[in-house]
Amino acid sequence: GAVVSQHPSWVICKSGTSVKIECRSLDFQATTMFWYRQFPKQSLMLMATSNEGSKATYEQGVEKDKFLINHASLTLSTLTVTSAHPEDSSFYICSARGPTTTDTQYFGPGTRLTVL
Amino acid sequence: LAKTTQPISMDSYEGQEVNITCSHNNIATNDYITWYQQFPSQGPRFIIQGYKTKVTNEVASLFIPADRKSSTLSLPRVSLSDTAVYYCLVKGNQGGKLIFGQGTELSVKP
Repeated sequence: GAVVSQHPSWVICKSGTSVKIECRSLDFQATTMFWYRQFPKQSLMLMATSNEGSKATYEQGVEKDKFLINHASLTLSTLTVTSAHPEDSSFYICSARGPTTTDTQYFGPGTRLTVL
Repeated sequence: LAKTTQPISMDSYEGQEVNITCSHNNIATNDYITWYQQFPSQGPRFIIQGYKTKVTNEVASLFIPADRKSSTLSLPRVSLSDTAVYYCLVKGNQGGKLIFGQGTELSVKP
């Protein structure tokens, strides 16, 4: 299957700082990318959907000013957690797919964020 | 988006065939059924996707009855490394979003 990478794989930051997570599709053009968050022993929760060149669509209850998403190219999307707080500590996972909704969605390996 | 229901957990032994059934009563005409596997601290891995009848790949088989209100993921001859959480999802035209349910935690024992 196609490969999606994330960087960094883990990050520790101080409360109040911002953290950027990159998601790249390595061998295909990702028209649409998705960002998820997963807390321990829980399922993945969809945060937002981003289409290349347009604004992201956020799920209900997700603060768009806190979780900034940019999808500037067909291979790169970034998630910036602004003014991070300990409750933002979680496992962030991105996924990417091609131009049609039936295309397989491939997931990245995830980024572990710990806010002190 | 159609809601899915699957068992929270299942136990099996090495070498056995494991069948995980998922119900999706409200599946729409254009929806596809897709299954993912997730290990701890990793992103989900695509296993198989289907629309109707039977789909088979090198990893698993997916059985979908005519009414499409349920589906069964079949893992032949499981090994310890198949211990993971398995998610059944319905993917539709609403932007192709995947909404994850609780999944099935499969434990394979020696």
